[in-house]
Amino acid sequence: DTAVSQTPKYLVTQMGNDKSIKCEQNLGHDTMYWYKQDSKKFLKIMFSYNNKELIINETVPNRFSPKSPDKAHLNLHINSLELGDSAVYFCASSQGGADNEQFFGPGTRLTVL
Amino acid sequence: AQSVAQPEDQVNVAEGNPLTVKCTYSVSGNPYLFWYVQYPNRGLQFLLKYITGDNLVKGSYGFEAEFNKSQTSFHLKKPSALVSDSALYFCAVRDTGGFKTIFGAGTRLFVKA
Repeated sequence: DTAVSQTPKYLVTQMGNDKSIKCEQNLGHDTMYWYKQDSKKFLKIMFSYNNKELIINETVPNRFSPKSPDKAHLNLHINSLELGDSAVYFCASSQGGADNEQFFGPGTRLTVL
Repeated sequence: AQSVAQPEDQVNVAEGNPLTVKCTYSVSGNPYLFWYVQYPNRGLQFLLKYITGDNLVKGSYGFEAEFNKSQTSFHLKKPSALVSDSALYFCAVRDTGGFKTIFGAGTRLFVKA
């Protein structure tokens, strides 16, 4: 059973397009995250939701918009894609509390041409 | 502000030898410290964490880490490396009062047979 799943696994698209990445967790966690990992493997937090409420919103272009329809899902919509958006995007979840580890999805490799 | 430093981009070790992957941190309060491992084309996997108590924590796959408050370090160790340990290792820190986990830049571990 997959704990944190993401779709699609690969996404290749043209500049200027709009795309979405979906994330689901079946762990019963109340906190979910989106991270961006660049080509040098740096991992940076983008957003975090706790019980469907946005609690972290890092300095991210407003072309990126997260949506959490329920505690088990956190989707990421990206408008007007740019070359610099090419990266691997990871969804993660954890139980509430700063001392709890995060569980990561397999990642979505986004390539913008 | 929180920060994490992994001073080595790469660590090379022979199979059967002990390994150490270094991590130092900076937080304003008491830290929660984590180690994660990333295999190629996969999401991060949790290895171990320090919350409080014993400075030596044990985790998955025979890994352990030692918390040193005076040196603000949390080095990852394993007594005998395996070729299958070759991967990218991330140290992470979270302030007990904060929502955000900060990840280090990662250290690539190569274990040679």
